[in-house]
Amino acid sequence: AQSVTQLGSHVSVSEGALVLLRCNYSSSVPPYLFWYVQYPNQGLQLLLKYTTGATLVKGINGFEAEFKKSETSFHLTKPSAHMSDAAEYFCAVSATDKLIFGTGTRLQVFP
Amino acid sequence: DTGVSQNPRHKITKRGQNVTFRCDPISEHNRLYWYRQTLGQGPEFLTYFQNEAQLEKSRLLSDRFSAERPKGSFSTLEIQRTEQGDSAMYLCASSPQRARGAYNEQFFGPGTRLTVL
Repeated sequence: AQSVTQLGSHVSVSEGALVLLRCNYSSSVPPYLFWYVQYPNQGLQLLLKYTTGATLVKGINGFEAEFKKSETSFHLTKPSAHMSDAAEYFCAVSATDKLIFGTGTRLQVFP
Repeated sequence: DTGVSQNPRHKITKRGQNVTFRCDPISEHNRLYWYRQTLGQGPEFLTYFQNEAQLEKSRLLSDRFSAERPKGSFSTLEIQRTEQGDSAMYLCASSPQRARGAYNEQFFGPGTRLTVL
């Protein structure tokens, strides 16, 4: 069985500050890991994914995440937050075809 | 390529009524997925198709729910005798089928928001 835990349902940062959104996963097989972003009343957009290979993955809009097997973590970071980053972020895991999502973290960015 | 489209975008219905949603995947994507997202939660898997075959159904998909993909292109999700607990965003995604064991990226549509009064 697979599961995802996102620590912190809300995160607030100032514009220009570091963004850190936490995700821990559980999987009985080597997982594929993802971060999706959702803007209000819209579908999900893939930010980045880890499948195999390099454990530090870079995505769109300046986001990156590092797969740490020993810590079963896949935290999302961005060095400098922008107002346009305000949205809901979902971590997801997959070993087969379906995605298992966390409960999400709402990111607020203050000027 | 216009992406995954879903219709309608919003649906308000009274308890006990039937509703049907449509999803048009990206052309040539032979896999199609349905997810449900309730307020404050992440999306939950409901079912998926490979071409016209429905390969997996979640236990969340009660007998009142039925999904079809008759010609392997668009899909419909019908909910019979709607209940207030069915109020949610229904998301559709599609993906191409690549080599076995390889990851198939899912592309999501904008969703259909259902409100049951």
